[in-house]
Amino acid sequence: DADVTQTPRNRITKTGKRIMLECSQTKGHDRMYWYRQDPGLGLRLIYYSFDVKDINKGEISDGYSVSRQAQAKFSLSLESAIPNQTALYFCATSDRTGGGNQPQHFGDGTRLSIL
Amino acid sequence: QKEVEQDPGPLSVPEGAIVSLNCTYSNSAFQYFMWYRQYSRKGPELLMYTYSSGNKEDGRFTAQVDKSSKYISLFIRDSQPSDSATYLCAMSVNYAGNMLTFGGGTRLMVKP
Repeated sequence: DADVTQTPRNRITKTGKRIMLECSQTKGHDRMYWYRQDPGLGLRLIYYSFDVKDINKGEISDGYSVSRQAQAKFSLSLESAIPNQTALYFCATSDRTGGGNQPQHFGDGTRLSIL
Repeated sequence: QKEVEQDPGPLSVPEGAIVSLNCTYSNSAFQYFMWYRQYSRKGPELLMYTYSSGNKEDGRFTAQVDKSSKYISLFIRDSQPSDSATYLCAMSVNYAGNMLTFGGGTRLMVKP
């Protein structure tokens, strides 16, 4: 089983709909992240969370919200989806040990299309 | 101008070739440097992680960092068809577990 699991893997929806993407991890990491990937732009950070009570905005948080339901679960919501939010979305985790000097590990992504 | 620039490719090489993948960056505060490999329909997978200038070797892979030139490279020796993927460089100011800035990725194709 994957250490970082994202659901759904694919989603097609319409403009204006509310969408939730979910991420769960079995790595025992405290830190979790949401990124989006667009062709040629690499990955850009949307939100990150260092523990259940800590939520921080990333580079491109407008139009998104998150919820850290438990140490192992971090969900991303699009309150009213718009077509330019069509992208590949990735969840990542990292360990806080070693002063946080640990690299991030990624799930396999959710491909989201908004019509 | 993007903080991290990476040639998108595609880069096509014959099996057994030495591959050189590169990134340049503009923020001199970047201290941690990573290379990720991403196969189609999969998440990025960490390949190499380094902090200091110089070379770091791991099997067929060598990561090179030149902070004075703001330039990092990944060399792949004896390239294999299974190395065909998109390679992403990433870097961070504080520590690797915090906010990463990614290059756009280079698509590599290794032909048998």
